[in-house]
Amino acid sequence: AQRVTQPEKLLSVFKGAPVELKCNYSYSGSPELFWYVQYSRQRLQLLLRHISRESIKGFTADLNKGETSFHLKKPFAQEEDSAMYYCALGAGNRDDKIIFGKGTRLHILP
Amino acid sequence: DTGVSQDPRHKITKRGQNVTFRCDPISEHNRLYWYRQTLGQGPEFLTYFQNEAQLEKSRLLSDRFSAERPKGSFSTLEIQRTEQGDSAMYLCASSPGTSEKGNFGPGTRLTVT
Repeated sequence: AQRVTQPEKLLSVFKGAPVELKCNYSYSGSPELFWYVQYSRQRLQLLLRHISRESIKGFTADLNKGETSFHLKKPFAQEEDSAMYYCALGAGNRDDKIIFGKGTRLHILP
Repeated sequence: DTGVSQDPRHKITKRGQNVTFRCDPISEHNRLYWYRQTLGQGPEFLTYFQNEAQLEKSRLLSDRFSAERPKGSFSTLEIQRTEQGDSAMYLCASSPGTSEKGNFGPGTRLTVT
């Protein structure tokens, strides 16, 4: 079954401290993984995708097929990083739908 | 604003009434998706269109739900005989193809009383 698991509903981190948002997935094919972010009162937006291997706003995520994980990391948290973060799985070429995790609320403490 | 737009942004209705939502995708995006998001959950896929063709429907989409995309432009999502369990945020997204998956609308929040 296709599934995305984000074990933490809420993560509180002090400003300047490292951030790691966990994500595990279950998918039998070749996965396409994404991280989406939703800031307060804004629409959902794509943060990054594993195939582009880029860093956005200081965030990176590495796909680990052995551990079926796609954790989101940032070395130094900033207050503007406070938001809801969703890990998501692209379910394949034909379906083209995205399966989202339940999300983790990141709260950056001053 | 050239992004995905949705109308209305909020809808309050009584149980048993019918409601219709509209989504206007980014111009020339041939793919359009509908998702539903309830409190504490991530968005859940409902259905998607390529141009005017509805290519997949989730089992979440009961017979009371119907979606259309006439002429491959805007789309409507209708819920008949609404139930309290239909209360949710309904999100629309569009993309020019399979490679881009980031264009979401602001959502329509439905409250069924």
